[in-house]
This record gives sequence, structure tokens and C-alpha cells, in this order.
Amino acid sequence: NAGVTQTPKFRVLKTGQSMTLLCAQDMNHEYMYWYRQDPGMGLRLIHYSVGEGTTAKGEVPDGYNVSRLKKQNFLLGLESAAPSQTSVYFCASKLSPRDPGLEQYFGPGTRLTVT
Amino acid sequence: GEDVEQSLFLSVREGDSSVINCTYTDSSSTYLYWYKQEPGAGLQLLTYIFSNMDMKQDQRLTVLLNKKDKHLSLRIADTQTGDSAIYFCAESPSGGYQKVTFGTGTKLQVIP
Repeated sequence: NAGVTQTPKFRVLKTGQSMTLLCAQDMNHEYMYWYRQDPGMGLRLIHYSVGEGTTAKGEVPDGYNVSRLKKQNFLLGLESAAPSQTSVYFCASKLSPRDPGLEQYFGPGTRLTVT
Repeated sequence: GEDVEQSLFLSVREGDSSVINCTYTDSSSTYLYWYKQEPGAGLQLLTYIFSNMDMKQDQRLTVLLNKKDKHLSLRIADTQTGDSAIYFCAESPSGGYQKVTFGTGTKLQVIP
């Protein structure tokens, strides 16, 4: 049981390049989330998914797209990277949408630098 | 919208108690959480409290909730160097998709 894994761990992009961050969970969780973490700003929700085939916008969705084709995977895409997207990206998953008390399980993060 | 505020930094000596404070604005908050982030790692849930409780204790951790003032605190007794980390306060309202709003995080430095 690997929990939540993220690929890659580090990446450097040039402005305008594209990339996809992969999140995978093996806990059969319904909900999955993508956050970005910036100094002094805590975690901000980019997009989330309440189940396979569904996605929704979070707090800061601009410049990102997501897909949840399989229940265990949640992909975050940057079509044209900008320096403002330099951040640490965390994926999280949660078992049930009905019990808010259940914790979110976080991946180890992807550190992305856009030059 | 919802807002969760924390001080950015706290320094304590090993063996002392640490108290990390948090204030939130959403009066519909049902669950309040404390997460711990160690260097280079993701967040890990430490504990949570329902809004109808005013205190929860779990070994060295004590969570106090003042719902009237929308103030949450985490006390770590006998703080150890392994407690050095960033601590995030978070809140979640009832219903909906259980969106969790995180604070900015408090970096706890434990001095040996």
C-alpha cells in the first residue's frame, strides 16, 4: 500500500513549456485534490475531483487543467508554464465525501521551477 | 470567503510546551484540523476537533477551541527536536464537497 504518490518529484521548465504532473493513490479513495504551496500562503486548492470522470475548479484554477480518467489517478496539466507557477504542488486524496472528519492523505509533493 | 490565520514562526526550547494559535472566520466550520509538515514531505493529519467540542487531548497534544472567538490552539507538551516542522491549521464546513481551507502554517523551531 503505497498511499499517495506523485511523479515527478522535481522539474524545471522554461516559460511556455507544458507538462503533466501525475498523482496516483491505491486506497480506493473517491476524492482527489491538487494544491499548490507558496511561502507565506499556505495551501491553495487548484482543482479537485469527487470521482472518476469528474473534475471541478478550486480556488486558483487559472493556467491549469486536470483529468480523472481512472479512479486511482488525477493528472494536473500546465499547458503553457509561467514563472508565477513556480511552486510546490501537492496531491491529496480522501476516502469519503460524506464525512468531513476523515483526513486527506497527502503525496510527497512536486517541486516545479519555471524559468 | 473563508480565511484561516496563523503566526508564521515559533521558537521554543526542548522540553518546554509549545502553543500554536490559529483564528478562522467561517462560522459554519464543523471540523478543525491540525496538520504537520516535515521538511520535504507532504502534510500529515495530527488531530482534529468537532466544532461542538472545546477540548481534545491526545498524548502530548491538546487542542483547545473557543468557538465564540473562532480561535483554535495546539499545545505540544514536552516539545522534542522531532517536533520541528510546519504546523497547519485547517477548517472544513459541513456539507458540500468538504472543501478544506488551510492556514499559512506556523514553522516551529525546537532549540536543543
